Formats: sequence, structure tokens, C-alpha cells
Amino acid sequence: GAGVSQSPSNKVTEKGKDVELRCDPISGHTALYWYRQSLGQGLEFLIYFQGNSAPDKSGLPSDRFSAERTGGSVSTLTIQRTQQEDSAVYLCASSLGAGVAYNEQFFGPGTRLTVL
Amino acid sequence: AQSVTQLGSHVSVSEGALVLLRCNYSSSVPPYLFWYVQYPNQGLQLLLKYTSAATLVKGINGFEAEFKKSETSFHLTKPSAHMSDAAEYFCAVSDPLDGANSKLTFGKGITLSVRP
Repeated sequence: GAGVSQSPSNKVTEKGKDVELRCDPISGHTALYWYRQSLGQGLEFLIYFQGNSAPDKSGLPSDRFSAERTGGSVSTLTIQRTQQEDSAVYLCASSLGAGVAYNEQFFGPGTRLTVL
Repeated sequence: AQSVTQLGSHVSVSEGALVLLRCNYSSSVPPYLFWYVQYPNQGLQLLLKYTSAATLVKGINGFEAEFKKSETSFHLTKPSAHMSDAAEYFCAVSDPLDGANSKLTFGKGITLSVRP
């Protein structure tokens, strides 16, 4: 079956520009997560959506970062006024969100963001 | 706050040798624990997880891990390494008090090389 998909796979942008990264979770998964993977910081949690609950935004590094999830499915991560330190691979994951027996997070291939 | 320590950044073993990748956690309560593998230019794939059931957990590709509360450890092992095991391995933890599907906190990762 289809896994988590992300687009674009690669994005090169100039410092100061805004970027949008898209995540399509596995159908039926109510929980969606964004993580960032960079050489210096490793894998870091950014934001978590669960059903209709308010998202957990505790990992967003600054107010330039925001995310939304429309209709409980597709999610978009937006980075405004990009900086060079935003360069990283942005990973999206989803899970069934139906209790501990189903809390495995399935990861997408990531979007590699390069800020020049 | 939860944290994960993976000592060392690189492990090299011969094909057929034992694989041992170490993971220690810091948590005020017994956490949920996960091992993920990442092959080059791919997303993360779950190897196995511990969610307070059996302390010895068997995963995919012949890997297993044992939860030892007294040592706050969750080391990953495989009796006989295969060339295809070469990848980066991440230990991760989540806090049950945040719910069954909460965010993951990752270790820095260990790169496993397998020599012919």
C-alpha cells in the first residue's frame, strides 16, 4: 500500500524566501508528525497533529515556522524568511493514533531543503 | 524531559559477527522505546519497539533488543551481521504520560559498517 509521501524531494531556495513543504500521510492515520534532520542537531521533533486536537507545537524553533493540517489529512510545513541554518532534511511521519499497540510512526522519504 | 544516549557514532563489524548497538535513556517513568534504521537517502523504518510488555523484543531482519530498567538501557543486537545491515541506526524514546502516540526524542544515531 501507499506509504507517507512528501514533496518536493529537494528544494533549493535563497535566504529570505518562504518555502512550503507538503506531507501526505498514510490513509486513515490520525496522527501526523514533522521532524527535522540536520548534521549538527540530529533528528528533532517539530510539531505533532492528532485528530482534531490542538497541535503540539513545542518543537518549532522559531515563529518563522508554522504548519497546518487540512481535513485531517495533508499537512503543509511553512518556513518564512528562510535562513541558512534552516537547511536540513524535513521528515514527516504518521501513525494510526489508536493506542500504544498502534503507535508505530511511519516515515516519509523527506524533503531536503537547501538555503543559499 | 526524556533523553537518549547512543555512545559512539560509528560501529564496524565483520560479516557474520555479532552486532551490538548501545542505547541508554533518561526518563522519570519507564518510557516507550524504539529502534529505527535509515538506509542512505531513505526515510526511517521501525526495527522494533518496547511498550511495557515483554522486556525482550524481537524485530525485523533478525534484530532484537532487551529493556533493562535497572540499567536504563535498550541495546540492539543481531547474532550475525549481513552486508545489507549497513545503515544508520537510531534509538528513540517517547513519554507514556504524553499519550500513546506522542513525539519521539531521538539519539544522535550510530552508523553501522559491515566488512566482508
